[in-house]
Amino acid sequence: DAGVIQSPRHEVTEMGQEVTLRCKPISGHNSLFWYRQTMMRGLELLIYFNNNVPIDDSGMPEDRFSAKMPNASFSTLKIQPSEPRDSAVYFCASRRDSTGELFFGEGSRLTVL
Amino acid sequence: LAKTTQPISMDSYEGQEVNITCSHNNIATNDYITWYQQFPSQGPRFIIQGYKTKVTNEVASLFIPADRKSSTLSLPRVSLSDTAVYYCLVGDPLGTGFQKLVFGTGTRLLVSP
Repeated sequence: DAGVIQSPRHEVTEMGQEVTLRCKPISGHNSLFWYRQTMMRGLELLIYFNNNVPIDDSGMPEDRFSAKMPNASFSTLKIQPSEPRDSAVYFCASRRDSTGELFFGEGSRLTVL
Repeated sequence: LAKTTQPISMDSYEGQEVNITCSHNNIATNDYITWYQQFPSQGPRFIIQGYKTKVTNEVASLFIPADRKSSTLSLPRVSLSDTAVYYCLVGDPLGTGFQKLVFGTGTRLLVSP
């Protein structure tokens, strides 16, 4: 298995720009999670999809953040417009619901100047 | 959601056994206890999961008392490469109720020579 694949691994952008983070979950996994990690707030759950349907987005910080999962093999997390406080590592994770184990990608490190 | 409490940090030496305890006083009947390990610049990785009594795999053991209000992750004979952050999660990993998987602050383990 290739594991959960995230892109880009690193992104540096300027305040106000649109940022799109991408995730390819493990084939056969039916749940997908987006997390954000910072030193101050730790690992926060942003949104959770089950069978491509957004189930819980209560962790999304504000309207500038949006996430989609158009099919079982692809998801995006978009920030528009980006702000310096959005700087963090964003992780995507997938899960086969029959086992419960989360598999994380290597993360996308975002720096907003 | 069952809230978890873990020590913020622990120190150990190579070859010693390390026990990390997690408190989860309001654990629900269907909740399992899951531990993840995170190295710097990587996503968390599943270590072990259990419901009650004792679970052992090639990496660690998980001890859960009868009341299930706490659990202990045991790492036998740690090495320098076990230096990482360890997270305790409590929830229903198999539930169809769209359970959140919320990571707490974790325990930062430092293994010294």
